[in-house]
Amino acid sequence: DAKTTQPTSMDCAEGRAANLPCNHSTISGNEYVYWYRQIHSQGPQYIIHGLKNNETNEMASLIITEDRKSSTLILPHATLRDTAVYYCIVRVAEIQGAQKLVFGQGTRLTINP
Amino acid sequence: ETGVTQSPTHLIKTRGQQVTLRCSSQSGHNTVSWYQQALGQGPQFIFQYYREEENGRGNFPPRFSGLQFPNYSSELNVNALELDDSALYLCASSSLREGPREQYFGPGTRLTVT
Repeated sequence: DAKTTQPTSMDCAEGRAANLPCNHSTISGNEYVYWYRQIHSQGPQYIIHGLKNNETNEMASLIITEDRKSSTLILPHATLRDTAVYYCIVRVAEIQGAQKLVFGQGTRLTINP
Repeated sequence: ETGVTQSPTHLIKTRGQQVTLRCSSQSGHNTVSWYQQALGQGPQFIFQYYREEENGRGNFPPRFSGLQFPNYSSELNVNALELDDSALYLCASSSLREGPREQYFGPGTRLTVT
């Protein structure tokens, strides 16, 4: 699975959009980009995933560059409850293989009042 | 909440003992994965179970073993506990179907080995 690079930490004001970048320059054509977050002492929470098109759901938007070497997770109106560690993960969508997620250090996002 | 439950919430064991952790998967999910998360680190993949068989394993020794039951619930067993086994143990369930699949994590079991 491709390696990802994320900033160690970021701050954002409550109510503003939080934009979390992720570099995955060695991503393969069949690898998806997944985002999870982990609020302190809880299990990771799935946010969104995409292959090459931009994606949006009720939690966030995922913008993937045309060359797929980087992506940005956007939380449109950040709240204090969005304070968490955010993980960007790239992996192949296998049918029979193990669905192993390789977590890096992630980005610690702090939402400030 | 994801519908994935784990028990117990917290556990304290002594070095050399054995421990069993339990996980109930989300309804409709037939695949369970286990992760270990040391303090300050991201989760690390231990293994995955599908149709009651191990279906992939990370870099963990054989003293980490597991089971999956016909109702898709799962157990993680760790023998000969070491101090470094102190961690948050996470269970995640998913559906083994075609295409990308998200995993849904439980709240974890905090294991302390003294």
